[in-house]
Amino acid sequence: DIQMTQSPSAMSASVGDRFTITCRASQDIGDYLGWFQQKPGQVPKRLISAASSLQSGVPSRFSGSGSGTEFTLTISSLQPEDFGTYYCLQYKNYPWTFGQGTKVDIK
Amino acid sequence: QVQLQESGPGLVKPSETLSLTCTVYGGSIGTYYWSWIRQSPGKGLEWIGNIDYTGGTNYSPSLNSRLTISVDTSKNQVSLRLRFVTAADTAVYYCTRHTGGLLLRLDYWGQGTLVSVSS
Repeated sequence: DIQMTQSPSAMSASVGDRFTITCRASQDIGDYLGWFQQKPGQVPKRLISAASSLQSGVPSRFSGSGSGTEFTLTISSLQPEDFGTYYCLQYKNYPWTFGQGTKVDIK
Repeated sequence: QVQLQESGPGLVKPSETLSLTCTVYGGSIGTYYWSWIRQSPGKGLEWIGNIDYTGGTNYSPSLNSRLTISVDTSKNQVSLRLRFVTAADTAVYYCTRHTGGLLLRLDYWGQGTLVSVSS
């Protein structure tokens, strides 16, 4: 299985901060990487696929980058509604594997 | 608007079989992939397996020997059966619809159903 390691596991940040989450794959997954946001009590929501392709309707303050084994999700200016847990997902090979999640709290 | 709705028992005894059904409203089974994803209480997401519109399946190796995913196109349903469950299988189970390929569109999720394994 491909292991996905996310960092940080949790973070508090202020409104307006620039915030970056990193996801590292244990082997080359090309661009087969997605990012999801999950708020408490809600189902996950896809933000990005193909490492950097933003889902329609997702604010442009979200961006994804990377290829191969290292990927980042950046929020350019954190907003109050961005709290929640973020997960990366590799879908290059089966079994698909998620990162362990990054919990974002707004200060 | 496509909606997915999971149904099944909320409580299953250890060593028995967990059976869930996902009914698809507002769309057809055809041309899509259907993945089951679960989330243990307070934990992260775990992909369990999927089935495509041809009936081809992919399962997590950790569950492969116990898992069966199937589709019933006449009923517009996707089903999951997990045999010999233990407490470690307690989780919210999500049915999802997605496309294949690089531009993954994993955009439709059921609301999730909590299954507890306990005697």
